[in-house]
Amino acid sequence: AQSVSQHNHHVILSEAASLELGCNYSYGGTVNLFWYVQYPGQHLQLLLKYFSGDPLVKGIKGFEAEFIKSKFSFNLRKPSVQWSDTAEYFCAVVGSGSARQLTFGSGTQLTVLP
Amino acid sequence: DAGITQSPRHKVTETGTPVTLRCHQTENHRYMYWYRQDPGHGLRLIHYSYGVKDTDKGEVSDGYSVSRSKTEDFLLTLESATSSQTSVYFCAISEMNTEAFFGQGTRLTVV
Repeated sequence: AQSVSQHNHHVILSEAASLELGCNYSYGGTVNLFWYVQYPGQHLQLLLKYFSGDPLVKGIKGFEAEFIKSKFSFNLRKPSVQWSDTAEYFCAVVGSGSARQLTFGSGTQLTVLP
Repeated sequence: DAGITQSPRHKVTETGTPVTLRCHQTENHRYMYWYRQDPGHGLRLIHYSYGVKDTDKGEVSDGYSVSRSKTEDFLLTLESATSSQTSVYFCAISEMNTEAFFGQGTRLTVV
């Protein structure tokens, strides 16, 4: 069965600090990978996605992620965070099979201090 | 926003009663999902569907059933609600080469 691990449960940063959130997955085949963000009281919104091609993916709001196949990782990065980035971040994976089971990690709460 | 509507948005029910949550889409997407979100657990997959009448269990399917009799509707039923099923439930839709799009969520409280 596929699974996703997010090792950082709560990250606290000051504004302008750099961010890196870890995501590792387990799946025996080709995957599609995603990072979603959830602001308080809202539903999940897509930050970025990887399907194929360049393993360095750029998303909205200055976020990027790098797919490292050999490490089964898809870490999220941002060079300089803002107070408005305070939210919960979820990594997700879907396998290449036709059923497309979409599995999420347990999430990382990011708090950015002004 | 993608055309996904969850109903009801809020519900309070008593232990032991049946409850059905509805997810309706206007995007004609093949894949539909039901998740529950609880603090510290992220989104856990309950059931998902990869076509009309094609469904499968997720990691937390016990106590839940689903039905998909037409492309646009995916129903989640709690046959006999328990307090442990108090949660926020999200529906999502996707296609083969797209990300998943989420509904606004249903807050269910079982008392």
